[in-house]
Amino acid sequence: QQQVKQSPQSLIVQKGGISIINCAYENTAFDYFPWYQQFPGKGPALLIAIRPDVSEKKEGRFTISFNKSAKQFSLHIMDSQPGDSATYFCAASSSSGSARQLTFGSGTQLTVLP
Amino acid sequence: KAGVTQTPRYLIKTRGQQVTLSCSPISGHRSVSWYQQTPGQGLQFLFEYFSETQRNKGNFPGRFSGRQFSNSRSEMNVSTLELGDSALYLCASSLAEATEAFFGQGTRLTVV
Repeated sequence: QQQVKQSPQSLIVQKGGISIINCAYENTAFDYFPWYQQFPGKGPALLIAIRPDVSEKKEGRFTISFNKSAKQFSLHIMDSQPGDSATYFCAASSSSGSARQLTFGSGTQLTVLP
Repeated sequence: KAGVTQTPRYLIKTRGQQVTLSCSPISGHRSVSWYQQTPGQGLQFLFEYFSETQRNKGNFPGRFSGRQFSNSRSEMNVSTLELGDSALYLCASSLAEATEAFFGQGTRLTVV
């Protein structure tokens, strides 16, 4: 059962535009929500993460918005650049228990046109 | 500070063989997790090790196993390889109970 649903599967944005990727989760025990960026041939790189005690976190051009009641969170990339073209994964994990296991969304392939 | 190092980067194996992949975590990180990435199934959790103990295991057959050494380096082993095992195998390291997981570049395994 997929516990983190990510949309859209692919996204094309013009340079300077805003890219928005959405994720929804089912497990209410999740308390850590990171976003990863992956370029072809590379491993996922941690971009930004949020915990449910805040509704928004911003780092540079990247912002996570979090809606605990709706069990949804999203990544906003402001002023999108061609260098942002990559696959983005949302993920979630729970701190309950002794182990931390990331459950990933299915990924969004972002293309930023010059 | 060096990142997560995975070796080898690429492997080609024949069905029925076994393979061992290696992961060296970031210095000071004691937790190592393994993930399988395929186009069809995406990123799936295999197992996690902390202080040489497996703390959590994903939904994979017993052919997939791993271990962690006293220096936190980890290995994963896949026995009796199947074509469907072809994937990018990723290792991630974390500080003890910390949340941030940092991935290596992965080992691309091709089973023919």
